[in-house]
Amino acid sequence: GEDVEQSLFLSVREGDSSVINCTYTDSSSTYLYWYKQEPGAGLQLLTYIFSNMDMKQDQRLTVLLNKKDKHLSLRIADTQTGDSAIYFCAEKTDKLIFGTGTRLQVFP
Amino acid sequence: DTGVSQNPRHKITKRGQNVTFRCDPISEHNRLYWYRQTLGQGPEFLTYFQNEAQLEKSRLLSDRFSAERPKGSFSTLEIQRTEQGDSAMYLCASRPSGAEAFFGQGTRLTVV
Repeated sequence: GEDVEQSLFLSVREGDSSVINCTYTDSSSTYLYWYKQEPGAGLQLLTYIFSNMDMKQDQRLTVLLNKKDKHLSLRIADTQTGDSAIYFCAEKTDKLIFGTGTRLQVFP
Repeated sequence: DTGVSQNPRHKITKRGQNVTFRCDPISEHNRLYWYRQTLGQGPEFLTYFQNEAQLEKSRLLSDRFSAERPKGSFSTLEIQRTEQGDSAMYLCASRPSGAEAFFGQGTRLTVV
C-alpha cells in the first residue's frame, strides 16, 4: 500500500542544522521528493532524489535515502528563520503520495 | 511561462451550489494532477490526467466531483451540490515525463 509518515513538529535554533525524517511504504517508488509550504501558499519543490541514489546535496540541503528501511531525510544546514514552514515528503509511482508534513519552527 | 496557474484563488459558495475551478499547467507538461488539502493535512490525491486521458481517480472523488482535460492542456474540476466538508484548498500540479512536479498556488474553497 501507499503510506508516507512524518513527525509533526521540529523546532531548531537559527544557525543549527535541521533534520526532517520521513518513512514510506511503497518500494516501487521511483522518485522521492521534498516540498516546502509556507502559510497560505502552494507547494514549492525543494529537491528530489531518484530511488537508486542514496544521497543528494543541493546547497544547504542534503537528502539521504535508505531504500532498505524506506527512510528519507532532509537536512537543512545553517537553518534560517526564512526556513520556517511545513515540509512534505512525497513518494512517486504514477502519482505523488504526500506525508502529513513536518512543521519546522526556527527561533533566534 | 509563469508556472502552473489556478483560478480562482478563492471561492466562497453556499451549500448546494456548483463550483468549477480551472488549472492551466506548464506548457507541454503532459501529466496534470488534482489534490485536495485540508488544514493540518498533507495534499490528498484526487485524480490525474495524461494528456486528455483521465488515468486514475481516487475513492475520495465522489460522484459529485468531475474533472476534465478536453484538449490535453488546461483542466477543470467541478463540484456539484457542494457540502461544507468540501471546504479545502484544491491544488493542481503538472509535470512532463520526467521527475519534477510543479504545483499551482491553489484554489481555496469555503462552503457556507
